[in-house]
Amino acid sequence: EAGVTQFPSHSVIEKGQTVTLRCDPISGHDNLYWYRRVMGKEIKFLLHFVKESKQDESGMPNNRFLAERTGGTYSTLKVQPAELEDSGVYFCASSHTLQGRYEQYFGPGTRLTVT
Amino acid sequence: ELKVEQNPLFLSMQEGKNYTIYCNYSTTSDRLYWYRQDPGKSLESLFVLLSNGAVKQEGRLMASLDTKARLSTLHITAAVHDLSATYFCAVVGLANTGNQFYFGTGTSLTVIP
Repeated sequence: EAGVTQFPSHSVIEKGQTVTLRCDPISGHDNLYWYRRVMGKEIKFLLHFVKESKQDESGMPNNRFLAERTGGTYSTLKVQPAELEDSGVYFCASSHTLQGRYEQYFGPGTRLTVT
Repeated sequence: ELKVEQNPLFLSMQEGKNYTIYCNYSTTSDRLYWYRQDPGKSLESLFVLLSNGAVKQEGRLMASLDTKARLSTLHITAAVHDLSATYFCAVVGLANTGNQFYFGTGTSLTVIP
C-alpha cells in the first residue's frame, strides 16, 4: 500500500512568488491534515480536511495560505504571495475515518525555501 | 492551547553511550507518540503510549509515560550510528482540543563512531 506522498520534495522561490504544494493521502483516507515545521521549531498544525470539507483551519497563519481538497482525494496548499517567514517543511498526514485522529500517517514533507 | 516541550534540541553522543530525551506536555492528553525522521523521509512511528506507567521497548529505544507528571522519556541504550535521526514526541489532546497532533520541537540526534 502506497503511503502519503507529497510533491515537490523541495521548492525554492523568491519572495512574492506563488507556490503550490500537493499531497496525495493514502487511498481511502477521508481525513487529511497539513502541518508545518519552521526551522528549529515544533511541527505545527495548519488545517484538517474531512473529505473535501475543511473541518478545522485554526492553524492557518494568514490569508496568503489557501488549502483545497477538491473531490476529497488529493489536496493542495497554495502560498501567495510567499514571504520569507513561510520557509519551512510542510507535512501532510492522512487517517482513515475508523481510526480518526489517532492514526495519522505522515508524508515526507515538502521543504520550502523563500529567498 | 496544549504545549509540548522537548529537550534537548540537539544531541551528539558517542556510540555505546546512553542518553534520554525528555518530552513534557502542558495539559491532559489522550495518548503520546514518539516518531523518528530520517532526512527526506516520512515520520516513522516508533511508539504509542496510552496510559500512566506505560513502557515500550524496541531494540535500543525505550519509551515511558508518566501522565501525572505529564512527562515522557525516550531512553537510548548503547547508541549506534544507525540511530542518528530526528526524534519527535507528539500528543493528541482530549476531544475538545481538536484532532491535530501537538508536536515537540524535535531532537536531532547524531551518534558519533
